[in-house]
Amino acid sequence: IQLTQSPSSLSASVGDRVTITCRASQDIGSYLAWYQQKPGKAPKVLIYGASTSQSGVPSRFSGSGSGTDFTLTISSLQPEDFATYYCQRLNSYPRTFGQGTKVEIK
Amino acid sequence: EVQLVESGGGLVQPGRSVRLSCAASGFSFDDYAMHWVRQAPGKGLEWVSSITWNSASIGYADSVKGRFTVFRDNAKNSLYLEMKSLTIEDTALYYCARGGIEALDYWGQGTLVTVSS
Repeated sequence: IQLTQSPSSLSASVGDRVTITCRASQDIGSYLAWYQQKPGKAPKVLIYGASTSQSGVPSRFSGSGSGTDFTLTISSLQPEDFATYYCQRLNSYPRTFGQGTKVEIK
Repeated sequence: EVQLVESGGGLVQPGRSVRLSCAASGFSFDDYAMHWVRQAPGKGLEWVSSITWNSASIGYADSVKGRFTVFRDNAKNSLYLEMKSLTIEDTALYYCARGGIEALDYWGQGTLVTVSS
Protein backbone atom coordinates (compact mmCIF):
# COMPACT_ATOMS: atom_id res chain seq x y z
CA ILE A 1 0.00 0.00 0.00
CA GLN A 2 1.36 3.37 -1.05
CA LEU A 3 0.76 6.68 0.65
CA THR A 4 0.98 9.71 -1.59
CA GLN A 5 1.22 13.14 -0.03
CA SER A 6 0.55 16.37 -1.84
CA PRO A 7 2.00 18.78 -2.30
CA SER A 8 5.63 17.73 -1.80
CA SER A 9 6.37 21.26 -0.68
CA LEU A 10 4.58 24.53 -0.22
CA SER A 11 5.38 28.12 0.64
CA ALA A 12 3.03 29.94 2.97
CA SER A 13 2.89 32.99 5.18
CA VAL A 14 2.26 33.27 8.88
CA GLY A 15 -1.49 33.24 9.41
CA ASP A 16 -2.27 31.24 6.28
CA ARG A 17 -4.50 28.19 6.29
CA VAL A 18 -2.53 25.20 5.07
CA THR A 19 -3.89 21.89 3.87
CA ILE A 20 -1.84 18.76 3.19
CA THR A 21 -3.38 15.65 1.72
CA CYS A 22 -2.44 11.99 2.00
CA ARG A 23 -3.94 9.41 -0.31
CA ALA A 24 -3.71 5.67 0.31
CA SER A 25 -3.72 3.21 -2.55
CA GLN A 26 -6.11 0.98 -0.59
CA ASP A 27 -8.67 1.50 2.16
CA ILE A 28 -6.90 1.89 5.51
CA GLY A 29 -9.95 2.89 7.54
CA SER A 30 -8.89 5.52 10.07
CA TYR A 31 -5.49 4.02 10.81
CA LEU A 32 -3.53 7.10 9.82
CA ALA A 33 -1.22 9.33 11.82
CA TRP A 34 0.40 12.66 11.03
CA TYR A 35 3.86 13.70 12.22
CA GLN A 36 5.83 16.93 12.23
CA GLN A 37 9.59 16.89 11.88
CA LYS A 38 11.89 19.85 12.30
CA PRO A 39 15.49 19.81 11.06
CA GLY A 40 17.77 17.77 13.27
CA LYS A 41 14.93 16.54 15.44
CA ALA A 42 12.95 13.35 15.77
CA PRO A 43 9.40 13.34 14.41
CA LYS A 44 6.55 14.28 16.71
CA VAL A 45 3.04 12.86 16.41
CA LEU A 46 0.31 15.43 15.83
CA ILE A 47 -2.75 13.37 14.89
CA TYR A 48 -3.67 9.71 15.25
CA GLY A 49 -6.72 7.75 14.23
CA ALA A 50 -6.94 10.19 11.29
CA SER A 51 -8.59 12.91 13.35
CA THR A 52 -7.63 12.67 17.05
CA SER A 53 -5.16 15.26 18.26
CA GLN A 54 -2.25 14.05 20.36
CA SER A 55 -2.19 15.57 23.82
CA GLY A 56 -0.44 18.91 23.88
CA VAL A 57 -0.76 19.60 20.16
CA PRO A 58 -2.08 23.10 19.41
CA SER A 59 -5.70 23.24 18.32
CA ARG A 60 -4.78 24.83 15.00
CA PHE A 61 -3.76 21.35 13.83
CA SER A 62 -6.60 19.10 12.72
CA GLY A 63 -6.98 15.92 10.74
CA SER A 64 -9.82 14.46 8.75
CA GLY A 65 -10.66 11.66 6.38
CA SER A 66 -11.06 7.92 6.27
CA GLY A 67 -10.63 5.13 3.80
CA THR A 68 -8.18 6.42 1.22
CA ASP A 69 -8.23 10.21 1.50
CA PHE A 70 -6.91 12.16 4.45
CA THR A 71 -6.16 15.78 5.22
CA LEU A 72 -4.00 17.63 7.72
CA THR A 73 -5.02 21.24 8.19
CA ILE A 74 -3.17 24.02 9.96
CA SER A 75 -5.78 26.70 10.49
CA SER A 76 -3.42 29.62 11.02
CA LEU A 77 0.24 28.92 10.30
CA GLN A 78 2.63 29.98 13.03
CA PRO A 79 6.40 30.54 12.75
CA GLU A 80 7.10 27.34 14.68
CA ASP A 81 5.05 25.29 12.19
CA PHE A 82 7.59 25.52 9.40
CA ALA A 83 8.68 21.90 9.18
CA THR A 84 8.17 18.71 7.20
CA TYR A 85 4.97 16.75 7.71
CA TYR A 86 4.48 13.01 7.16
CA CYS A 87 1.50 10.71 7.16
CA GLN A 88 1.78 7.04 8.15
CA ARG A 89 -0.59 4.11 7.90
CA LEU A 90 -0.73 1.81 10.92
CA ASN A 91 -3.38 -0.81 10.20
CA SER A 92 -1.01 -3.49 8.95
CA TYR A 93 2.47 -4.13 7.60
CA PRO A 94 4.21 -2.37 5.98
CA ARG A 95 3.58 0.69 8.15
CA THR A 96 4.39 3.01 5.28
CA PHE A 97 5.09 6.71 5.53
CA GLY A 98 4.15 9.26 2.93
CA GLN A 99 7.04 10.98 1.19
CA GLY A 100 6.64 14.16 3.24
CA THR A 101 5.47 17.72 2.70
CA LYS A 102 7.89 20.53 3.44
CA VAL A 103 6.21 23.71 4.62
CA GLU A 104 8.43 26.73 3.99
CA ILE A 105 8.18 30.42 4.69
CA LYS A 106 6.94 32.58 1.82
CA GLU B 1 9.54 10.52 31.61
CA VAL B 2 9.60 8.26 28.57
CA GLN B 3 13.09 7.89 27.16
CA LEU B 4 14.36 5.92 24.20
CA VAL B 5 18.10 5.89 23.64
CA GLU B 6 19.55 4.26 20.56
CA SER B 7 23.13 3.05 20.26
CA GLY B 8 25.31 0.87 18.09
CA GLY B 9 25.61 3.02 15.00
CA GLY B 10 28.84 3.98 13.32
CA LEU B 11 30.87 3.41 10.18
CA VAL B 12 30.56 -0.07 8.76
CA GLN B 13 31.84 -1.60 5.54
CA PRO B 14 29.47 -2.87 2.85
CA GLY B 15 28.53 -6.48 3.41
CA ARG B 16 29.22 -6.36 7.12
CA SER B 17 26.81 -6.53 10.05
CA VAL B 18 25.87 -4.30 12.94
CA ARG B 19 23.46 -4.52 15.84
CA LEU B 20 21.53 -1.50 17.02
CA SER B 21 20.10 -1.24 20.50
CA CYS B 22 17.37 0.89 22.00
CA ALA B 23 17.20 1.29 25.77
CA ALA B 24 13.75 2.22 27.03
CA SER B 25 12.81 3.80 30.32
CA GLY B 26 9.96 5.66 31.96
CA PHE B 27 7.18 3.31 30.88
CA SER B 28 6.15 -0.32 31.01
CA PHE B 29 8.19 -1.56 28.07
CA ASP B 30 6.39 -4.89 27.84
CA ASP B 31 3.06 -3.13 27.31
CA TYR B 32 4.04 -1.63 23.97
CA ALA B 33 4.88 -2.52 20.43
CA MET B 34 8.16 -1.02 19.25
CA HIS B 35 9.44 0.13 15.90
CA TRP B 36 12.51 1.04 13.91
CA VAL B 37 12.29 3.90 11.43
CA ARG B 38 15.19 5.21 9.39
CA GLN B 39 15.96 8.39 7.53
CA ALA B 40 18.66 8.60 4.91
CA PRO B 41 20.51 11.92 4.77
CA GLY B 42 18.23 14.57 3.30
CA LYS B 43 15.45 12.07 2.68
CA GLY B 44 12.09 11.17 4.20
CA LEU B 45 11.11 8.71 6.87
CA GLU B 46 11.18 5.00 6.03
CA TRP B 47 9.51 2.45 8.27
CA VAL B 48 11.92 -0.46 8.80
CA SER B 49 10.41 -2.91 11.27
CA SER B 50 7.89 -3.39 14.06
CA ILE B 51 7.52 -5.93 16.86
CA THR B 52 4.59 -6.42 19.19
CA TRP B 53 4.95 -6.45 22.96
CA ASN B 54 5.26 -10.23 23.10
CA SER B 55 7.19 -10.63 19.82
CA ALA B 56 4.25 -12.57 18.40
CA SER B 57 3.92 -10.30 15.38
CA ILE B 58 6.89 -8.88 13.50
CA GLY B 59 7.01 -6.95 10.26
CA TYR B 60 9.73 -5.72 7.95
CA ALA B 61 9.98 -3.37 5.01
CA ASP B 62 10.67 -5.17 1.75
CA SER B 63 13.96 -3.29 1.49
CA VAL B 64 15.34 -5.04 4.58
CA LYS B 65 13.44 -8.33 4.68
CA GLY B 66 15.82 -11.27 4.98
CA ARG B 67 18.72 -9.05 6.06
CA PHE B 68 17.45 -7.35 9.22
CA THR B 69 16.09 -9.01 12.35
CA VAL B 70 14.23 -7.18 15.10
CA PHE B 71 13.97 -8.59 18.59
CA ARG B 72 13.40 -7.41 22.11
CA ASP B 73 14.30 -8.33 25.65
CA ASN B 74 11.48 -7.22 27.92
CA ALA B 75 13.49 -8.10 31.02
CA LYS B 76 16.12 -5.59 29.93
CA ASN B 77 13.68 -3.00 28.55
CA SER B 78 15.56 -3.14 25.30
CA LEU B 79 14.87 -3.33 21.58
CA TYR B 80 17.38 -4.49 19.01
CA LEU B 81 17.91 -4.46 15.27
CA GLU B 82 20.39 -6.92 13.81
CA MET B 83 21.45 -5.68 10.39
CA LYS B 84 23.33 -7.96 7.99
CA SER B 85 24.65 -7.67 4.45
CA LEU B 86 24.65 -3.92 4.70
CA THR B 87 24.73 -1.79 1.55
CA ILE B 88 25.31 1.91 1.04
CA GLU B 89 21.53 2.28 0.71
CA ASP B 90 21.25 1.35 4.39
CA THR B 91 23.10 4.52 5.38
CA ALA B 92 20.66 6.43 7.56
CA LEU B 93 19.75 7.72 10.97
CA TYR B 94 17.93 4.89 12.70
CA TYR B 95 15.19 5.82 15.15
CA CYS B 96 13.59 3.63 17.76
CA ALA B 97 9.96 4.49 18.47
CA ARG B 98 7.19 3.35 20.78
CA GLY B 99 3.70 2.83 19.60
CA GLY B 100 0.80 0.65 18.75
CA ILE B 101 -1.82 0.69 16.09
CA GLU B 102 -2.58 4.38 16.53
CA ALA B 103 0.75 6.17 16.22
CA LEU B 104 4.41 6.18 17.13
CA ASP B 105 4.12 8.43 20.14
CA TYR B 106 7.68 8.57 21.46
CA TRP B 107 10.90 8.57 19.47
CA GLY B 108 14.54 8.40 20.35
CA GLN B 109 17.10 10.80 18.90
CA GLY B 110 18.46 8.17 16.54
CA THR B 111 21.78 6.47 15.88
CA LEU B 112 23.60 7.04 12.61
CA VAL B 113 24.72 4.10 10.52
CA THR B 114 27.10 4.93 7.70
CA VAL B 115 27.88 2.14 5.25
CA SER B 116 31.03 2.92 3.34
CA SER B 117 34.29 1.31 2.34
